[in-house]
Amino acid sequence: GAGVSQSPSNKVTEKGKDVELRCDPISGHTALYWYRQSLGQGLEFLIYFQGNSAPDKSGLPSDRFSAERTGGSVSTLTIQRTQQEDSAVYLCASSLGIGSQETQYFGPGTRLLVL
Amino acid sequence: AQSVAQPEDQVNVAEGNPLTVKCTYSVSGNPYLFWYVQYPNRGLQFLLKYITGDNLVKGSYGFEAEFNKSQTSFHLKKPSALVSDSALYFCAVLPWATGRRALTFGSGTRLQVQP
Repeated sequence: GAGVSQSPSNKVTEKGKDVELRCDPISGHTALYWYRQSLGQGLEFLIYFQGNSAPDKSGLPSDRFSAERTGGSVSTLTIQRTQQEDSAVYLCASSLGIGSQETQYFGPGTRLLVL
Repeated sequence: AQSVAQPEDQVNVAEGNPLTVKCTYSVSGNPYLFWYVQYPNRGLQFLLKYITGDNLVKGSYGFEAEFNKSQTSFHLKKPSALVSDSALYFCAVLPWATGRRALTFGSGTRLQVQP
């Protein structure tokens, strides 16, 4: 079946502009995660959604970052007033949402370059 | 706080030889442990996980990993390496006892298999 999809695959923006990154999880997966992969920081957790529960936002690096999940499916990660240090690959993952031992399946990522 | 260490930035091995990619972890309580592989310009692909039970876990593409509680290690192994195994490998831990669902990743190990 279809895996996690993300769009766009690449995004180039100018410093100070806002960007939106989209994630479509695997059908039937109620848990959704955003991670960031950068040269300096490695792979780091950003935010986690599970069903209708309040999201775990503990990994968001600043208040310029926000995310929402509409209808329990598609999620959008928004970065306002982008900075050069935001340049990274943003990875989305999803899982069934029935227990902590389940596997997270990752999308191909969105490569963001802030000029 | 939990952490994962991958002490080798790169591992070189000749095709047909056995390979080992090392991972050690630090987490409160019993961990859930994962290995993922990343090919160039791709997202993370799940290889295997340890939840409980047999310390030797078998996964995709002939990979296996051995959980060693006393040494807090979860090394990835394969009896006979292929050139196509060349990629970036990540070890991750999920500290389920904390209730968190976010994976903590190691820094990654680049595996280079020479023909």
